[in-house]
Amino acid sequence: DTAVSQTPKYLVTQMGNDKSIKCEQNLGHDTMYWYKQDSKKFLKIMFSYNNKELIINETVPNRFSPKSPDKAHLNLHINSLELGDSAVYFCASSRGTALETQYFGPGTRLLVL
Amino acid sequence: AQSVAQPEDQVNVAEGNPLTVKCTYSVSGNPYLFWYVQYPNRGLQFLLKYITGDNLVKGSYGFEAEFNKSQTSFHLKKPSALVSDSALYFCAVRDKNAGNMLTFGGGTRLMVKP
Repeated sequence: DTAVSQTPKYLVTQMGNDKSIKCEQNLGHDTMYWYKQDSKKFLKIMFSYNNKELIINETVPNRFSPKSPDKAHLNLHINSLELGDSAVYFCASSRGTALETQYFGPGTRLLVL
Repeated sequence: AQSVAQPEDQVNVAEGNPLTVKCTYSVSGNPYLFWYVQYPNRGLQFLLKYITGDNLVKGSYGFEAEFNKSQTSFHLKKPSALVSDSALYFCAVRDKNAGNMLTFGGGTRLMVKP
């Protein structure tokens, strides 16, 4: 069974569209994360979320919003997509705080045309 | 502000030779340090972490890292490299200024040649 899964694996869309990426973890973890990896492989944390607290990296545009229907899911919604949003987005989860081991999903490759 | 630097974009090593991937950090307070590995077209996988205790931390796949407070370094090492170790390696530090989330270095590509 896949521990952290993401859908879709690939997403190609036009500028200005709104899209969502789904993430599910079956590890029973309390905390989930979204990361962005750019074309130079630089990895940046976007959000950290558990059932009590959402922590947002202040550099993330407010067009990006995480939505958590339940503890096992943290979806990423992006409004008004821009060319610069093209990247690979990784979901991750951990048992508690960020000091615990994080388990990453396979990534969603987003291409904005 | 917390930061972590990986000074080498790429490290080349012959199979069977020892390898070192460098990482230096800058934090206020106690440093909590991590190494993750990314294989092509895959998500990151945890290798090891230093929270407290022994300066030499042993992790997955035969990797280890040495925490050196005076040099603010946390270099990743392995005594004998394998071709299958070829991947992208990320050092990370807990960022107290970002809600204790992890801040990653820029990554180092390790190439192990037969």
